[in-house]
Amino acid sequence: DADVTQTPRNRITKTGKRIMLECSQTKGHDRMYWYRQDPGLGLRLIYYSFDVKDINKGEISDGYSVSRQAQAKFSLSLESAIPNQTALYFCATSAGGRARPGANVLTFGAGSRLTVL
Amino acid sequence: AQTVTQSQPEMSVQEAETVTLSCTYDTSESDYYLFWYKQPPSRQMILVIRQEAYKQQNATENRFSVNFQKAAKSFSLKISDSQLGDAAMYFCAYRSAGYGGSQGNLIFGKGTKLSVKP
Repeated sequence: DADVTQTPRNRITKTGKRIMLECSQTKGHDRMYWYRQDPGLGLRLIYYSFDVKDINKGEISDGYSVSRQAQAKFSLSLESAIPNQTALYFCATSAGGRARPGANVLTFGAGSRLTVL
Repeated sequence: AQTVTQSQPEMSVQEAETVTLSCTYDTSESDYYLFWYKQPPSRQMILVIRQEAYKQQNATENRFSVNFQKAAKSFSLKISDSQLGDAAMYFCAYRSAGYGGSQGNLIFGKGTKLSVKP
């Protein structure tokens, strides 16, 4: 099984629908992230969470919300999807603190491609 | 705020040849990490190589090496003996070494699409 699992892998929906993208990890990492990838723009940070009680907005959080249900689970919601939210969404995890192994390396999920018609 | 710039949207290399992808960044910090990620058509983000700013020695991973010029804020990736499987999008990324607040989040460049010709 993958270390970071995203569901669904692909989703087509209509404008105005509520969509949830889910992410779970088996790495035991404290930190989890949601990124959005658009062609020619690279990856941009939507939200990040350093632990269950710590959730922070990233660069492009408008129109999105998140929930950290447990250390291993971090979901991204689009309350009312719009076409310009069509993109590839990545969940990622990392350990925290420089003393911990891999503290500064992000592990990515396989991505969720969302199309909003 | 930190920024990462990849000035080459697309690059092409002949199989078995060497290619260098450019990356520059802007920061006022002295302690940070730099990364190159590869994204093949499968869209998985794969870590290629990592450089710690306080280490002067350039990182190397098999056929992949970097030229890290801290004063110039430059971090280029060299791929030697290019293979067809190297064809992918390559992203340069910056991460502050601090872990408080927003520090520690990965900031990406816009990517360079590498094609490998047989």
